[in-house]
Amino acid sequence: GNSVTQMEGPVTLSEEAFLTINCTYTATGYPSLFWYVQYPGEGLQLLLKATKADDKGSNKGFEATYRKETTSFHLEKGSVQVSDSAVYFCALRGRSYGKLTFGQGTILTVHP
Amino acid sequence: NAGVTQTPKFQVLKTGQSMTLQCAQDMNHNSMYWYRQDPGMGLRLIYYSASEGTTDKGEVPNGYNVSRLNKREFSLRLESAAPSQTSVYFCASSEALLAGGGEQYFGPGTRLTVT
Repeated sequence: GNSVTQMEGPVTLSEEAFLTINCTYTATGYPSLFWYVQYPGEGLQLLLKATKADDKGSNKGFEATYRKETTSFHLEKGSVQVSDSAVYFCALRGRSYGKLTFGQGTILTVHP
Repeated sequence: NAGVTQTPKFQVLKTGQSMTLQCAQDMNHNSMYWYRQDPGMGLRLIYYSASEGTTDKGEVPNGYNVSRLNKREFSLRLESAAPSQTSVYFCASSEALLAGGGEQYFGPGTRLTVT
């Protein structure tokens, strides 16, 4: 079956530091890949997505590239802000009814 | 345009009590989903409805039932709550399966505690 593995958290950074959150997946066929963000007390919001190999998703300074050869979709940001503090979820969508398979989430805390 | 709404926001139940979590979306989406979120486990799919009139089990359906009341509304029922059902519950919706990798939109969640 499909599965997603994210790097263990929590991750604590200083403002303006570089961020990487690793995500690898196992899936049959050609899944779509997503990063969702959950701010404290809120539901999940789509941050970015990629639907085929070598696609790069980007939004709000975050980027992730769909790497089929390494089955990875790592999230990066060049300079994090305090407002980026949240939980980040990597997810994949297979071909069946839009069901998403989520990683366990990575808590990011950014200090001033 | 409210997106996906859920009620209630918080609920405390005693073991054995029943309750229904309500979800509604105003985006004319065909598919709706119920997830539970537990620490260190991400979100797990409980039930989903691909379209009005259909429902199917997800990854963790035991102890739950669902009703797709109409295109807008999808409710989740706990018939006899157990402490293991203490969790945060999220409803989501999306357009029907699309080749472009359709986005799911999430509600704000219901935090349920079963004592």
